[in-house]
Amino acid sequence: GAGVSQSPSNKVTEKGKDVELRCDPISGHTALYWYRQRLGQGLEFLIYFQGNSAPDKSGLPSDRFSAERTGESVSTLTIQRTQQEDSAVYLCASSLSGTGYSYEQYFGPGTRLTVT
Amino acid sequence: AQSVTQLDSHVSVSEGTPVLLRCNYSSSYSPSLFWYVQHPNKGLQLLLKYTSAATLVKGINGFEAEFKKSETSFHLTKPSAHMSDAAEYFCVSPGTGNQFYFGTGTSLTVIP
Repeated sequence: GAGVSQSPSNKVTEKGKDVELRCDPISGHTALYWYRQRLGQGLEFLIYFQGNSAPDKSGLPSDRFSAERTGESVSTLTIQRTQQEDSAVYLCASSLSGTGYSYEQYFGPGTRLTVT
Repeated sequence: AQSVTQLDSHVSVSEGTPVLLRCNYSSSYSPSLFWYVQHPNKGLQLLLKYTSAATLVKGINGFEAEFKKSETSFHLTKPSAHMSDAAEYFCVSPGTGNQFYFGTGTSLTVIP
């Protein structure tokens, strides 16, 4: 079946512009995660959605970052007034449930964001 | 709190020789632990996971990992490296709340 998809795959933007990244999770997956991966580094948790519960935004690095999810489907991550340090690969993952630690996360291919 | 430490940022092996990628965890309770692989320009893929059912966990592509509580380790091994194993490997543990903690990654190079 279809996996997690993300769009665009690459995005180049000028400093100060806003960008919107999209994630389509696997159908039926109630949990959705956004991560940031800077060059040569591990994954940095950004935000977590579980069903209709309030999202866990504890990983968002600044108020320029926000994310939304429509029910248990598409999620968008928005970065306002982009800065060069926002350049990274943004990864989305979904899983059947976020409350059971044995549940595997399925990752999308990521969006590579370059801020010039 | 729980976290993971990957002891090697880079590992280089010859094709056909064993692979050992090291991960240590810190936790006050029996954890769940995962290994993911990331090939260049690809998304992360689960290799294997430990959830207290068995200490020796077998994953895909011939990889396995052994949970050793006495050593707080969850090292990833493979008896014989293949060129296609060249990738970045991440050791992962659930953390507090809804977070998962990713190690800093180990880059595996396989020399022909």
